[in-house]
Amino acid sequence: LAKTTQPISMDSYEGQEVNITCSHNNIATNDYITWYQQFPSQGPRFIIQGYKTKVTNEVASLFIPADRKSSTLSLPRVSLSDTAVYYCLVGDMRSSNTGKLIFGQGTTLQVKP
Amino acid sequence: GAVVSQHPSWVICKSGTSVKIECRSLDFQATTMFWYRQFPKQSLMLMATSNEGSKATYEQGVEKDKFLINHASLTLSTLTVTSAHPEDSSFYICSAFSYEQFFGPGTRLTVL
Repeated sequence: LAKTTQPISMDSYEGQEVNITCSHNNIATNDYITWYQQFPSQGPRFIIQGYKTKVTNEVASLFIPADRKSSTLSLPRVSLSDTAVYYCLVGDMRSSNTGKLIFGQGTTLQVKP
Repeated sequence: GAVVSQHPSWVICKSGTSVKIECRSLDFQATTMFWYRQFPKQSLMLMATSNEGSKATYEQGVEKDKFLINHASLTLSTLTVTSAHPEDSSFYICSAFSYEQFFGPGTRLTVL
């Protein structure tokens, strides 16, 4: 399973764009990149998933370079409610045998007013 | 979207007792469910992989006799913490797999 490395913490202000980069040098061909958000005392919540290039949904964008050894989660115009821990994970989502996810330390994002 | 529930959401028990936590996929079937444990200010730690109709696969360092997992149907997996001790106090989270993982809301276990 590919190991991921993220910054431990980040600070931002309301209305700013936040970019969190994750390194996954040993990503396998079949691995997808998935980002989760977790608030205290809650289960992780799916944000976005991608395999290559760029993926965008209503809450975030995910940028993946051609070599797929890193990825960047982009949160546009953050608000105080975006204060949470963000996890980057890689794994083969097509198979339950290999789909288990190993969580790294995550990035604690603190949004200030 | 896919919903996973856990019951109870929190539980307090005395040391030495056993506690059962249920994980249900409400609107989809999951052949595989995962159980995680999370201590304060730490990341989620995978405990075991539960496959319907077969024995669970435990991660290294997780005592299978202490953390009993049963996956009796495609929508239900249970985790039983046997002879619980204060060090077992933690936040237990399950997830159900259906081409991606859907996480439950977690169960806060406090052992006195």
